[in-house]
Amino acid sequence: GAVVSQHPSWVICKSGTSVKIECRSLDFQATTMFWYRQFPKQSLMLMATSNEGSKATYEQGVEKDKFLINHASLTLSTLTVTSAHPEDSSFYICSARSNRGFSPLHFGNGTRLTVT
Amino acid sequence: QQQVKQSPQSLIVQKGGISIINCAYENTAFDYFPWYQQFPGKGPALLIAIRPDVSEKKEGRFTISFNKSAKQFSLHIMDSQPGDSATYFCAASIGGNNRKLIWGLGTSLAVNP
Repeated sequence: GAVVSQHPSWVICKSGTSVKIECRSLDFQATTMFWYRQFPKQSLMLMATSNEGSKATYEQGVEKDKFLINHASLTLSTLTVTSAHPEDSSFYICSARSNRGFSPLHFGNGTRLTVT
Repeated sequence: QQQVKQSPQSLIVQKGGISIINCAYENTAFDYFPWYQQFPGKGPALLIAIRPDVSEKKEGRFTISFNKSAKQFSLHIMDSQPGDSATYFCAASIGGNNRKLIWGLGTSLAVNP
């Protein structure tokens, strides 16, 4: 149980285009999902907290107009990288936890974004 | 300021040996301490977690030791195997449903056959 599915696993796009990444909790409901960014051989950097039915909470330094987050249902959150640039190339990972009790955080398998 | 300090940055262990990774934290309000394992190109996977009301938790070959007074916790991997070669992250968080994890910087473990 507690599976988080992230799609696509990798994407290559041209500068100036937008890319949407989906994160789904397959067997549980998640009021809250988290979006992370990870650079090679580094730790995870929290970008934003996605709340179902309300606006996302962004961490300091993360541009909310560039990284659009939508949490339309209890099982789906999306991250859209708008007007992508090469410096946006990174590994993006989503995570979610069940609404019930003291539940652990489960991660998707990440999306490798390359902007050319 | 790094709220969760993890060491060593990298570790090489022989097959069958014990791998030990240490973490220290600052905030005494932390009440949940998970360890995650990450393979290249994959998302982190929860390995084992502990709360501060116990000093040790064991799951198979993986053990967390927790020292509340020293504000330290460690991961021990017994009988380390080449398949354990991965990056390990410790983390900590404060209670609440919208629990935000504070991450260590990771330890790259290589288990030689």
